[in-house]
Amino acid sequence: GENVEQHPSTLSVQEGDSAVIKCTYSDSASNYFPWYKQELGKRPQLIIDIRSNVGEKKDQRIAVTLNKTAKHFSLHITETQPEDSAVYFCAASWTGTASKLTFGTGTRLQVTL
Amino acid sequence: GAVVSQHPSRVICKSGTSVKIECRSLDFQATTMFWYRQFPKKSLMLMATSNEGSKATYEQGVEKDKFLINHASLTLSTLTVTSAHPEDSSFYICSADLAGGGTGELFFGEGSRLTVL
Repeated sequence: GENVEQHPSTLSVQEGDSAVIKCTYSDSASNYFPWYKQELGKRPQLIIDIRSNVGEKKDQRIAVTLNKTAKHFSLHITETQPEDSAVYFCAASWTGTASKLTFGTGTRLQVTL
Repeated sequence: GAVVSQHPSRVICKSGTSVKIECRSLDFQATTMFWYRQFPKKSLMLMATSNEGSKATYEQGVEKDKFLINHASLTLSTLTVTSAHPEDSSFYICSADLAGGGTGELFFGEGSRLTVL
């Protein structure tokens, strides 16, 4: 089955700086890679996703890059703000029939003033 | 947007009792729903895939007799934790896939925090 590794486990940045979180996956058949933000005790919220036919996607301060050959993808948050502080999870799935997501281990991002 | 509602959000029960958690898709039909379990400061671990009208598919290491899943309609899946014990205390989250969507995007419920005394 799919295995997703995520680094770093914790990340502390100053407000205004950029944050980068990296993930690798094992199953070359995976074709959908979402990123979720989860606040304490809440449901995961989809913040951006990318499909295997695209190498990069950007939405305002958030961007995701995908390297299919190396089987890794990254989340980039620019101009970080205190409200970006949360746990971020990457995930991977193959969307052939149903979207069985495998999650990474999570990154706790702390944006300090 | 697609909304998934999960109930109850919090439940406390005594050891040995059973607890049922409901997951409903409010404004769309979900052929497939997924049940995840999340321990504090840990990732979401898939427990089982719930398919409407058929038996659930459980992940390796998940006891199907312990975690009963029923998906009787296209808008409702239930997870019953039977004979609950303190080690079953966890955050349980469901997610739903749009019927025949195959887009990859899942819609998550609010989660249910189970505490077994």
